[in-house]
Amino acid sequence: EAGVAQSPRYKIIEKRQSVAFWCNPISGHATLYWYQQILGQGPKLLIQFQNNGVVDDSQLPKDRFSAERLKGVDSTLKIQPAKLEDSAVYLCASSLGGVPHHQTQYFGPGTRLLVL
Amino acid sequence: QQPVQSPQAVILREGEDAVINCSSSKALYSVHWYRQKHGEAPVFLMILLKGGEQKGHDKISASFNEKKQQSSLYLTASQLSYSGTYFCGTETTQAGTALIFGKGTTLSVSS
Repeated sequence: EAGVAQSPRYKIIEKRQSVAFWCNPISGHATLYWYQQILGQGPKLLIQFQNNGVVDDSQLPKDRFSAERLKGVDSTLKIQPAKLEDSAVYLCASSLGGVPHHQTQYFGPGTRLLVL
Repeated sequence: QQPVQSPQAVILREGEDAVINCSSSKALYSVHWYRQKHGEAPVFLMILLKGGEQKGHDKISASFNEKKQQSSLYLTASQLSYSGTYFCGTETTQAGTALIFGKGTTLSVSS
């Protein structure tokens, strides 16, 4: 079974530029998560989708971050404009969703973003 | 309400044991444990549910103390492959919300 795919794996940009990350979850997984992991910290949720609807985006800085999951499969996360403090690893995870809710989240390899 | 992990770091020799704790100030529904190696994605280890039994596979096991709102991860007879950062992720309800992760515990095993 293929795992969660993410691209690109690495990205270096100047501050105020824009960047986009792509995620393809495990086939059949209804729930998709984007996490931000700053060096030395645990992953922090940015947004959670159930199929193509948003479940939780309370910690997404909506003035600069946006995310979509069209057709309930792939997802993209965009940052515009980027700030220095956005330098982090962006992890995508997916789970089956539905009941029971306490389901395993499978993580992708992440995208390492460096903002200069 | 980020869970608190302790210790922050552990250094072991092969064959030694370690315990990593994850505590919450809120009542927990579940605790998920992950291991992350440098530059790689977090890998799922196990889930513990409120009212559930202690889990384990191979020489890694975990428990969930509902009275203390604390989970402990036990690594027995550690191997070099156990090195990495261990994260606990917690859920306070069964509403299907995302996990809140602790800051992690770094485990280094040497020969």
